[in-house]
Amino acid sequence: EVQLVESGGGLVQPGRSLRLSCAVSGFTFENYPIHWVRQVPGKGLEWVSGISGNSKSVGYADSVRGRFTITRDNAKNSVYLQMNSLRVEDTALYYCAKELRSSDSSPDYWGQGTLVTVSS
Amino acid sequence: EIVLTQSPATLSLSPGEGATLSCRASQSVSSSLAWYQQKPGQAPRLLIYDATNRATGIPARFSGSGSGTDFTLTINSLEPEDFAVYYCQQRRHWITFGQGTRLEIK
Repeated sequence: EVQLVESGGGLVQPGRSLRLSCAVSGFTFENYPIHWVRQVPGKGLEWVSGISGNSKSVGYADSVRGRFTITRDNAKNSVYLQMNSLRVEDTALYYCAKELRSSDSSPDYWGQGTLVTVSS
Repeated sequence: EIVLTQSPATLSLSPGEGATLSCRASQSVSSSLAWYQQKPGQAPRLLIYDATNRATGIPARFSGSGSGTDFTLTINSLEPEDFAVYYCQQRRHWITFGQGTRLEIK
């Protein structure tokens, strides 16, 4: 059974940092790109960042580029999102999701999300 | 950035009716388009990928069409569990989502 479990969310002050983790199981992890997608409660979905299976290709939304860094550890079946210089507008539920195929495909399995609240 | 525009924002229909949801891309995404369904408190669920292919376990009443910049999600004979928010998503250049269409019971 494919599973993705996010952790690391919480309440943080503006300007501080937070590191999210996504632990996966049930598939050959190193073969699949993984993405982070966020959603403000009651609002739409916003793609945040993605990373290829071999980490050679990474991408970021304009809203987080230069502040967030995505990495993965294939030995630990985990993906991470290092979030620095957090802003109030980064408050959201953060999902990780795996792609359907080994490249250039849509996410098929999603975690249940971890909530990040940025507030003073 | 590829911008996806969904219409209508809200669609009010009754069970048994058919639904047509649209998604327009600001530039061609070829067939790299997916549709998701999201219900309150749940993660998005993949319905359609590569514009026309149903994901595993998705009922046949859901179908997708289109290529390039104009796409459609069609739901035949709405069931009560189909009332939700639907998003289109492109994977031509990384990922962007449309703003969503809320399908509500009339």
